[in-house]
Amino acid sequence: TQLLEQSPQFLSIQEGENLTVYCNSSSVFSSLQWYRQEPGEGPVLLVTVVTGGEVKKLKRLTFQFGDARKDSSLHITAAQPGDTGLYLCAGPSGYALNFGKGTSLLVTP
Amino acid sequence: KAGVTQTPRYLIKTRGQQVTLSCSPISGHRSVSWYQQTPGQGLQFLFEYFSETQRNKGNFPGRFSGRQFSNSRSEMNVSTLELGDSALYLCASSRDTINTGELFFGEGSRLTVL
Repeated sequence: TQLLEQSPQFLSIQEGENLTVYCNSSSVFSSLQWYRQEPGEGPVLLVTVVTGGEVKKLKRLTFQFGDARKDSSLHITAAQPGDTGLYLCAGPSGYALNFGKGTSLLVTP
Repeated sequence: KAGVTQTPRYLIKTRGQQVTLSCSPISGHRSVSWYQQTPGQGLQFLFEYFSETQRNKGNFPGRFSGRQFSNSRSEMNVSTLELGDSALYLCASSRDTINTGELFFGEGSRLTVL
């Protein structure tokens, strides 16, 4: 099993702050995905990164895939309360996705 | 279009009982996978079905089983329930392979075992 470790586990910040969360593995992945899960709901895909060194932007969210395709980061600029949720990274393993345990983000007004 | 539908949303069982959870994928999606989510272990892969065939199985005991029907709907069953089976069970569907495709998750079935 290819393990994905996410850090930090918990993050509590105020509205307007910037933050970065990390997803690391000792294994090489063909791609990595980031999902966000809100309470009472299933995870929703935010982005898929495929190429080493790739940077993708989704409004205030910036995703980066490491050059060696072993790690990824998610940077949020000027966080808003609506960004609150569990951020999960996932990588393919056969016909399954391996998920990290997630970073639980709380953004307070 | 309608999303992934899971039933029931909540259920309470006692140790030793068995439970069946149902998942209706998005229309046109042929792959259905199941995950168990707990606070301690996060999301763990249970199994994946494509066109009624199980293509992959996670590291769970044989008490956990599933199947997929010809209309792509899927069920999972847990027999001889244990306290540790309390979790959110999530179903996800996708068009075909999931290596690069998007998984669409349902809202989950929250199982409590007493």
